[in-house]
Amino acid sequence: KAGVTQTPRYLIKTRGQQVTLSCSPISGHRSVSWYQQTPGQGLQFLFEYFSETQRNKGNFPGRFSGRQFSNSRSEMNVSTLELGDSALYLCASSTSGGFATDTQYFGPGTRLTVL
Amino acid sequence: SQQGEEDPQALSIQEGENATMNCSYKTSINNLQWYRQNSGRGLVHLILIRSNEREKHSGRLRVTLDTSKKSSSLLITASRAADTASYFCATDVAGNTGKLIFGQGTTLQVKP
Repeated sequence: KAGVTQTPRYLIKTRGQQVTLSCSPISGHRSVSWYQQTPGQGLQFLFEYFSETQRNKGNFPGRFSGRQFSNSRSEMNVSTLELGDSALYLCASSTSGGFATDTQYFGPGTRLTVL
Repeated sequence: SQQGEEDPQALSIQEGENATMNCSYKTSINNLQWYRQNSGRGLVHLILIRSNEREKHSGRLRVTLDTSKKSSSLLITASRAADTASYFCATDVAGNTGKLIFGQGTTLQVKP
């Protein structure tokens, strides 16, 4: 099976702009999670979707949003970009459908730089 | 704050030696997972250990879990230069399906 793919791999934006990142999960996986990784804060959970429903959300401002489509592909959007949004954004998919989080399969990430 | 705290933050060893990394967490978990990351790339899953398991092996990897002490350890035996990477523990907190809470990670350098 093909792995998790993320597009674009690299992105440079300026403050105030908005950005949309895309994630295609492994075929058959219905759960998609998003994480932000920065040197200072480490890996932080953004949100998780399962069958087009957001099941869980991290402590990020409302500028960060996401959605999942019927084919399980997911997008996340960041509006009004700030310098501190510069990070590696990682998407992960899994078969998690029950009450526990199964193995997460991560994509290569999107490196976002905000100037 | 992070659920998991890892110790040590950095570890440098020679090829062939064993490497041990520790992880502590704060709340009840469904499972604990270990991941590896090479140079800012995506994470690779290593092992998942459930809360009712005490030890798990996968090749040169051995993971232990002590739920009474809320701690886990990852042992890499006979390390290789290719094991150089950052290693993260991640906890699946009970009642929070789909969300992993990661520790800050241990950076392992294996010298040839």
